[in-house]
Amino acid sequence: SAVISQKPSRDICQRGTSLTIQCQVDSQVTMMFWYRQQPGQSLTLIATANQGSEATYESGFVIDKFPISRPNLTFSTLTVSNMSPEDSSIYLCSVGLAGGSVYEQYFGPGTRLTVT
Amino acid sequence: EDKVVQSPLSLVVHEGDTVTLNCSYEVTNFRSLLWYKQEKKAPTFLFMLTSSGIEKKSGRLSSILDKKELFSILNITATQTGDSAVYLCAVGAGGTSYGKLTFGQGTILTVHP
Repeated sequence: SAVISQKPSRDICQRGTSLTIQCQVDSQVTMMFWYRQQPGQSLTLIATANQGSEATYESGFVIDKFPISRPNLTFSTLTVSNMSPEDSSIYLCSVGLAGGSVYEQYFGPGTRLTVT
Repeated sequence: EDKVVQSPLSLVVHEGDTVTLNCSYEVTNFRSLLWYKQEKKAPTFLFMLTSSGIEKKSGRLSSILDKKELFSILNITATQTGDSAVYLCAVGAGGTSYGKLTFGQGTILTVHP
């Protein structure tokens, strides 16, 4: 597996502001993904972070609200923009390791976001 | 739309019991089924099952995949309090959904001493 870190681990933000979450992996990976887990719910894929190109968003998620960057093979950021209380969730990045199946995904420790 | 359903939603047992968690799915272009354990925030990978590997075992945990009936089970024998967690089932699809995992709602397992 790989060591995956996320920053910040938690934050409390005011509505209308934006927060950028970082995901760093200690080895090269094939694909990186961003998931959201709302309180009491399961995980939902937000987007696939593509290296050197725009992210691929799932239905119900848009780039203006969740801009994503992936400048290299080991780093990605997710920004939650113009936040509202409904954005309060755990945000998780996951990676598929180079040489392995893209479906065997390992998750970062998550960022717990509370919007007041 | 891809769908993953887990049962039961919650389960309370005592140490030493054996539990079986269920996962059924409806997915277009199925590629793999995965089980994760979630204790705080981050899901921890347990197993991945595919057409070429329909049964996996690691210690007290084992899992099988029935591709014909579209379900999987996760068995935990001789449960311990450390097994208390949410167990998530996820299915990976190909095609336009390449790499995407669709998760079930999870089973909350509580193991009492």
